[in-house]
Amino acid sequence: DTGVSQDPRHKITKRGQNVTFRCDPISEHNRLYWYRQTLGQGPEFLTYFQNEAQLEKSRLLSDRFSAERPKGSFSTLEIQRTEQGDSAMYLCASSPPDGTTTDTQYFGPGTRLTVL
Amino acid sequence: GENVEQHPSTLSVQEGDSAVIKCTYSDSASNYFPWYKQELGKGPQLIIDIRSNVGEKKDQRIAVTLNKTAKHFSLHITETQPEDSAVYFCAATPSGAGSYQLTFGKGTKLSVIP
Repeated sequence: DTGVSQDPRHKITKRGQNVTFRCDPISEHNRLYWYRQTLGQGPEFLTYFQNEAQLEKSRLLSDRFSAERPKGSFSTLEIQRTEQGDSAMYLCASSPPDGTTTDTQYFGPGTRLTVL
Repeated sequence: GENVEQHPSTLSVQEGDSAVIKCTYSDSASNYFPWYKQELGKGPQLIIDIRSNVGEKKDQRIAVTLNKTAKHFSLHITETQPEDSAVYFCAATPSGAGSYQLTFGKGTKLSVIP
């Protein structure tokens, strides 16, 4: 059983550059979430997809952030004009279709972003 | 929105002893409470969860209890081992159906001393 995968695992970029991260959820999981985790804190919700539809966005998701899930499978998270405050671990999670465990989220290994 | 508080922030125990981590939540409509273990440089790993229709759940050395009246839930680890050393997070779902977005506590760093 393949878990959630994320690519790249680490990204170092200079302030002002654009970056894009990819998440591949567990097969057949139709719900996909993005979270951000800063050092010493718990993950914070960014956005949620059900199939290809982006249904919820946190106020943390400024207009420099955009997420897509074009075919309801993998998802991308893009950050434009990166700032040093964007440095964090970006986590992706997925959960199964409607049923008794649809609320159970499985996380990927994360992408560690460092903005210089 | 939901607010989850977690205590203690750090916990050191001798190998073989028990460890208890406690969380409180604010939204009385929350109904799903998972616990995650996170090792350095890795993503959170689900270790146990509980839903509001039960008060206690156990899986080998790990157990979780839920008190909906008091709005708190706890993680119990018995017979701790060095490999249990990690950061543990509790979480809760906010009220209302939909995304089931998780609200996390700030974490507890557990150190098991051999």
